[in-house]
Amino acid sequence: QLQLQESGPGLVKPSETLSLACTVSGGSLSSSSDYWVWVRQPPGKGLEWIGSIYYTGATYYNPSLKSRVTISVDTSKNQFSLKLNSVTAADTAVYYCARHGTGGYSFYYMDVWGTGTTVAVSS
Amino acid sequence: IVLTQSPGTLSLSPGERATLSCRASETVNSNYLAWYQQKPGQAPRLLIYRTSSRATGIPDRFSGSGSGSDFTLTISRLEPEDFAVYHCHQHGTFRTFGQGTKVEVK
Repeated sequence: QLQLQESGPGLVKPSETLSLACTVSGGSLSSSSDYWVWVRQPPGKGLEWIGSIYYTGATYYNPSLKSRVTISVDTSKNQFSLKLNSVTAADTAVYYCARHGTGGYSFYYMDVWGTGTTVAVSS
Repeated sequence: IVLTQSPGTLSLSPGERATLSCRASETVNSNYLAWYQQKPGQAPRLLIYRTSSRATGIPDRFSGSGSGSDFTLTISRLEPEDFAVYHCHQHGTFRTFGQGTKVEVK
């Protein structure tokens, strides 16, 4: 079945760029039925949607993060990636990749999740 | 859309009924409301989508209801594995989550 796995540095310095990848296994990133998603969770807080991408490269970002976020796909590696620039301590969080369906907003619940990766922003 | 979950913490015993609330700052299409369960150190797991549809493998003691701006997750009889944090999520134009309700053992 579809599995997702995040990877990337666990520590990023303030003002630098956070870069994470999510590897898709048991399925194809090029599926027309899937959107690929990044969600984060600061320590002790709730979940925050960062953005979503379709295999064509079409992206949808959280307006509160849009100016700092880039999500991209690499179909040759079956991976999609997150870049968040100019990070501060407020970006310290567990970052999850996930999947939701296509066909309109009623399909945009996330039914497959990676295990998450912790990223700390500190000098 | 801001989602406010209440209570923040619910202290109950196994076998009891749990009722969790999710209130939205404006009307949410009932097809755009989901619930997730999250245990410590784990990723969220989809429980309910489109307000009341159970995800694959979710036992029928979990049920969802609601409309407009008020939604409810009910666990009819708490099992030991149900003690966790529950998040509501609206996945319309700008997707948002509630802050979570922790269901703990009394």
